[in-house]
Order: sequence, then structure tokens, then C-alpha cells
Amino acid sequence: GIQVEQSPPDLILQEGANSTLRCNFSDSVNNLQWFHQNPWGQLINLFYIPSGTKQNGRLSATTVATERYSLLYISSSQTTDSGVYFCAVERLKAAGNKLTFGGGTRVLVKP
Amino acid sequence: GAGVSQTPSNKVTEKGKYVELRCDPISGHTALYWYRQSLGQGPEFLIYFQGTGAADDSGLPNDRFFAVRPEGSVSTLKIQRTERGDSAVYLCASSLSPANYNSPLHFGNGTRLTVT
Repeated sequence: GIQVEQSPPDLILQEGANSTLRCNFSDSVNNLQWFHQNPWGQLINLFYIPSGTKQNGRLSATTVATERYSLLYISSSQTTDSGVYFCAVERLKAAGNKLTFGGGTRVLVKP
Repeated sequence: GAGVSQTPSNKVTEKGKYVELRCDPISGHTALYWYRQSLGQGPEFLIYFQGTGAADDSGLPNDRFFAVRPEGSVSTLKIQRTERGDSAVYLCASSLSPANYNSPLHFGNGTRLTVT
């Protein structure tokens, strides 16, 4: 099956700092999503971004499908950004949100 | 409802018992998914429904696991003869019909299952 690798595995930030999280995947995809799992375990969909660039407030994401990677940018980080960020993908020509998740990047934002 | 609703939020059961986990998807979402998340890992796909039928159940670990969605809305995940290794958070998610395109996945808060 498709492999999804996220880096770095852990990230400690000072409040106000910017950061970039990376997701590499081993095969062509037609579905890529970024999620944030907060410390209470709730998974929130941040972006549906199989290609291109999107922005939502302080967060933005870019997927370069031809090079098989995606980046999530966090700007002016806040303590509420703490949690685990997951990238999840589905192979090209598949349909149905049968997503394969990466191992996640654990982010701690210190005040 | 406003989001995906899962009940119970926590379930503790003894090894060998039968459990049922319930999911109520977002209104209007025809696709429903079950995932399982073990501690420190990302969610893993179990089964996907499009309407009432299971479109893909390739992630179910064995025949002790079964899921239904009889009226195309609420779904129940059933686990027979539970084992300690079944302990995990079971996540339900829904999305608009994937049909010929994909759409964002929205998760519930999960059911934390502990098998003693």
C-alpha cells in the first residue's frame, strides 16, 4: 500500500513562531487531507488539498502532487495550535476517502 | 446534527464480551467510514459505506468485526468475542457522496474501547 511519512515527528515552538510540517507519500494520489488532533483527541479537518495551495487564517497548505509531497504552514503559532497534525492520502483512481494516515507531527506551542 | 455523533464516548468491557458502537453522521452525508486509532498512531481504515451497503470492508481485521448501516444513516460497529488487542479509539467519519470525486472527511469524537 501507499506509504506516508511526516516530518518532523515532534516540534516545540514558542508562541508567535512560524513552522512548516512536511508530508511525503510514495504513490500518486487524488486525495490528500490535513487534520489536527487536539489534546482531547478530536480530529479536525484542516484542508482537502490534492494539489495546489490553500489558506485558512494562519494556516496554509501546498501540495505538489507531481513530486509527491505536501507542506502545512503554521504562522504566528498559538498555544491552541498544540496537538498532532496528520496528513492522509488516497491513491490515484481510488474513490471513497479510504485514507492512509501518516504517523503525525506532534506540536507543542509554549506560551 | 451539527457534527458526527458517536456513542458511547467510553466503553469498558471484559475479554470475550460483545460490544456495539454507534455512529450518527452529519445530515446529508451519504458516505460513512469507520477508522481505528491505537495510542500514538494515526487512524487506520476499517470499513466504508456508501448508502446502506458496505462499499469497502477490506480494513476489518477479522470476522469478529462487523458493521451495518440499515437505513443509510446511523451505523453500528459490532465486535464479537472482544480481545485485549481490540482496545483502541474507534472513530467514525462522514463525507458527501464521493461518487466521482472526493470530499473532505469529518470525524466524530470517537469511542474509547477498553477490553480488560
